[in-house]
Amino acid sequence: GAVVSQHPSRVICKSGTSVKIECRSLDFQATTMFWYRQFPKQSLMLMATSNEGSKATYEQGVEKDKFLINHASLTLSTLTVTSAHPEDSSFYICSAPNSDRSSTDTQYFGPGTRLTVL
Amino acid sequence: AQTVTQSQPEMSVQEAETVTLSCTYDTSESDYYLFWYKQPPSRQMILVIRQEAYKQQNATENRFSVNFQKAAKSFSLKISDSQLGDAAMYFCAENAGNMLTFGGGTRLMVKP
Repeated sequence: GAVVSQHPSRVICKSGTSVKIECRSLDFQATTMFWYRQFPKQSLMLMATSNEGSKATYEQGVEKDKFLINHASLTLSTLTVTSAHPEDSSFYICSAPNSDRSSTDTQYFGPGTRLTVL
Repeated sequence: AQTVTQSQPEMSVQEAETVTLSCTYDTSESDYYLFWYKQPPSRQMILVIRQEAYKQQNATENRFSVNFQKAAKSFSLKISDSQLGDAAMYFCAENAGNMLTFGGGTRLMVKP
């Protein structure tokens, strides 16, 4: 299979600060990565699509200036939550299809990052 | 736009028995893929099974199998010989154009 890592797994920060979450594909290249947000007992909500070498595509209702995405290389995407507030507390998950394969329909998920904003 | 519906918020099954989780979807795409993902308490999303829409044969992975009814846009998951480790949230998902659309999830409880 394909392995995706996320760092950190948990982060607690003060209101008003910024937090960066990294998503890495460990054994494959990913020209596209996806960022999701999951509230307790709910499904995954797609926030944005991260594209290597170009701007991210944000879903309706997601503030691009608040959730900064940078796809720095074929194996790394970062999500920065700027000026975090308690309502940004959530579980953030990234995923990536394996671009090394001819078929990129299957996405592989990172273990998630639990963000708590005090 | 794609929509995926899981009508069972919770299901319960006795250990070693069989359970079926329901999923319906709606898409205008002719080429798409369907998935079941498992999310245990660790919250790591784990791929359970994958179905290519153009294949009529139902996918099978060990104790997990699907009943894919393309005309009805139905994609149910059958878990045979349920084990305690199967207890988790299960999400049905559709991929059309490289973006996943998830259903609301079904929480499966396994009774010893």
